[in-house]
Amino acid sequence: SQQGEEDPQALSIQEGENATMNCSYKTSINNLQWYRQNSGRGLVHLILIRSNEREKHSGRLRVTLDTSKKSSSLLITASRAADTASYFCATDNFTGNQFYFGTGTSLTVIP
Amino acid sequence: DVKVTQSSRYLVKRTGEKVFLECVQDMDHENMFWYRQDPGLGLRLIYFSYDVKMKEKGDIPEGYSVSREKKERFSLILESASTNQTSMYLCASSPWDRGPNQPQHFGDGTRLSIL
Repeated sequence: SQQGEEDPQALSIQEGENATMNCSYKTSINNLQWYRQNSGRGLVHLILIRSNEREKHSGRLRVTLDTSKKSSSLLITASRAADTASYFCATDNFTGNQFYFGTGTSLTVIP
Repeated sequence: DVKVTQSSRYLVKRTGEKVFLECVQDMDHENMFWYRQDPGLGLRLIYFSYDVKMKEKGDIPEGYSVSREKKERFSLILESASTNQTSMYLCASSPWDRGPNQPQHFGDGTRLSIL
């Protein structure tokens, strides 16, 4: 399976701390995306990083990609209680529109 | 903003029933997807569609079928519901005109229970 795997499965931090989540995958990709899912809701796209990029920023989010290790990390800086959610990485199937989602990291930010 | 609307947030059906889950998107996206989400298994793709009347099997199509008669609407059909189809079902859409691998826009999901 090409499915990504997030690590850790669950993470609990204090508000203001940084949160780091990792994603590993198995085959070559065109890009990797990160999504957030609040409890009982659908997924929301956060950021996309292409295979020829090594790092990307969006607000308090920083994503890195290491294609040699087939891994990515998502860093949320200065976390807030509102960041409490599950975070998923998604890799593509190299030919186009099909994505493979991991099992997610459940992040809890304690006020 | 793109809006993907799933017809029901919660649905309870009985085994053997034929179940229809409806999804509508308002951004003229070519691609539409149906996933199911189960604890510990993440999201798994059931079916997807590139265009009207087009459909492709995903990773777990058994027991499901789909219909896309109009560009904005993608229906998931459980032909004869079984208890192992109890799950959260998520619909998503994405554009094709800007190239492949575009971000997907999700609905809020339908939590389906089969009794």
